[in-house]
Parts: sequence; structure tokens; C-alpha cells
Amino acid sequence: DQQVKQNSPSLSVQEGRISILNCDYTNSMFDYFLWYKKYPAEGPTFLISISSIKDKNEDGRFTVFLNKSAKHLSLHIVPSQPGDSAVYFCAASRQGNLIFGKGTKLSVKP
Amino acid sequence: DSGVTQTPKHLITATGQRVTLRCSPRSGDLSVYWYQQSLDQGLQFLIQYYNGEERAKGNILERFSAQQFPDLHSELNLSSLELGDSALYFCASSVDPHNTEAFFGQGTRLTVV
Repeated sequence: DQQVKQNSPSLSVQEGRISILNCDYTNSMFDYFLWYKKYPAEGPTFLISISSIKDKNEDGRFTVFLNKSAKHLSLHIVPSQPGDSAVYFCAASRQGNLIFGKGTKLSVKP
Repeated sequence: DSGVTQTPKHLITATGQRVTLRCSPRSGDLSVYWYQQSLDQGLQFLIQYYNGEERAKGNILERFSAQQFPDLHSELNLSSLELGDSALYFCASSVDPHNTEAFFGQGTRLTVV
């Protein structure tokens, strides 16, 4: 049973436009949600997180939105840049146990 | 550079063998986490240590074990290796035990032949 789901395996966006990456979860007991970016042959890089008591967190070009009633979170990247091309993982944390989705491959085209 | 160091970067070994993967967390981080990423799977949580004590356990096989030493570095021991154990093994560390912002190492790619 997959507790964290990223239903889009890939997403292609034009440079300068908005990228929206989506994630759904099933366990209402998660207390933190995180987004990671991963390049091939490298470890995941932390991007941004949000506590379950908030509904939005912003850091530069990255904004994470949390909709607890829908058990849904999204990562917005504005404006998208070619260097953002990577696999993005959504993760949910409960008492230290970080559960990852399977990732969405973002391609930003010049 | 995340500050988390994993060695070795690559490891090739035969079935039935035993290997040890090493992780040095970021300076000041007390929590260490181990994850496995297979070809067709996402990142699977294996185990967490906080300040030397096991804190959380995920999908870790009985053939696998880990420990965190007084200097906070951690080792993941994989024994009786099978072909299906071939994967990328990541270590991550964080200051707190709740994993609100974990930093990952570059991973160890294990190939079992």
C-alpha cells in the first residue's frame, strides 16, 4: 500500500512558465511534508518542507501548498529554468519515518 | 555538497557475501537514516538511528543490520547478499529525530553478481 503517491511520472514545461508537481498521501498522521530534487547518480537534495499545521510555505521560486482535507500537496516552481530538470520526490514524515513517492521527472525546455 | 559522506561510492560483490556501507553525517546532526533505491522502486526507508540508538525501522530485511557509533557515523551491514539486493543505498542525516529536513549523501551503488 503506497502511502505517498506521485501519479505523474513525468512533466514537461517551457522555460519561464510554472511547473506544478503534485503529490497525494493517505495517512493523516504525517506531520511534515518535504520535497527533494534528484539528479542522476546523486543523492536527493532537500528543497522545501511544510509542517502539517500550515497550508503554504514559500522559498524563492519554490512554493509548497498543503491541502489537508484533500490529503494533497503540490510544489510550484516559478519561473521554471532548464536547471530545474530533475526527478522530484515528495516525502511525508511521521516520527522520523520518511516515506517517499516514486518521483516525477521534470523536463524544462529552453 | 550536502555534508553527508558515504563510502564506498561503488561496490561489486558476489551472491552470499557480506558488505558494510559507511556513512558520516553532517557535523552536528544526531540522526542518521538509511534508504534503499532499487531500479523499479522509489526510496525505501530502512532504518533510523538517533544519537546512537535505533529510533525507527522500516522495510529492513533480517539479513541487514545497522548501527550508529559514539562519533555518530553509521554503518549498514548487508549479509547473505542476493541479486535483488543490487540497489543504490542512501544515507541521510538531520539535526532532529523528526526528519523535518534531512540531507542525503551521494549514495553507494551496490551490484551483486
